[in-house]
Amino acid sequence: QSALTQPASVSGSPGQSITISCTGTSSDVGGYNYVSWYQQHPGKAPKLMIYEVSNRPSGVSNRFSGSKSGNTASLTISGLQAEDEADYYCSSYTSSSTLGVFGGGTKLTVL
Amino acid sequence: EVQLVQSGAEVKKPGESLKISCKGSGYSFTSYWIGWVRQMPGKGLEWMGIIYPGDSDTRYSPSFQGQVTISADKSISTAYLQWSSLKASDTAMYYCARLPSIQLGFDYWGQGTLVTVSS
Repeated sequence: QSALTQPASVSGSPGQSITISCTGTSSDVGGYNYVSWYQQHPGKAPKLMIYEVSNRPSGVSNRFSGSKSGNTASLTISGLQAEDEADYYCSSYTSSSTLGVFGGGTKLTVL
Repeated sequence: EVQLVQSGAEVKKPGESLKISCKGSGYSFTSYWIGWVRQMPGKGLEWMGIIYPGDSDTRYSPSFQGQVTISADKSISTAYLQWSSLKASDTAMYYCARLPSIQLGFDYWGQGTLVTVSS
């Protein structure tokens, strides 16, 4: 199945807010509230930041929030900090394989 | 504390076989799915497949069906990813990760195993 579509890069200054989009189809993002988001720093394993569209695991800062409209999910990071600079991946359950599919990833640069 | 500890880096030649491992601890190993995720050099994450150690139910993403074998030994809380004949294109970092359910995503990740296939 095709990967979900994310912008290749986004950037923002410390203290600002940014939003990363994740576009799929009615077979994945649009059809289910099963979108998750992961943060990956260089050379590190990914870390779960958001699950079921908008839920934060224990320990994840409330500066991270998720939402969905139609076939597009979004991750918003408010009050940008230097340590937020990383790659971010969305993932969704997909009925086409009854497994999951990742987005292509977005590199966040904190200016 | 939930931990997934993966086996060490491997360097192999094309055509060789390989089995890498992922040992879970700090939780009931048989009650959660374990998934494998590939990350090729400089590229994004890819779902490979998952296994439920409790009953060995195994599912593969279409791109990886027939290319790898996922298994688990619940007696030692360990999941495996196996190749029978490696190709240069299998060079990648491979992560195992835990899923509370297929729909909820991966909540804990291993540290990754780097597999390099080169003649």
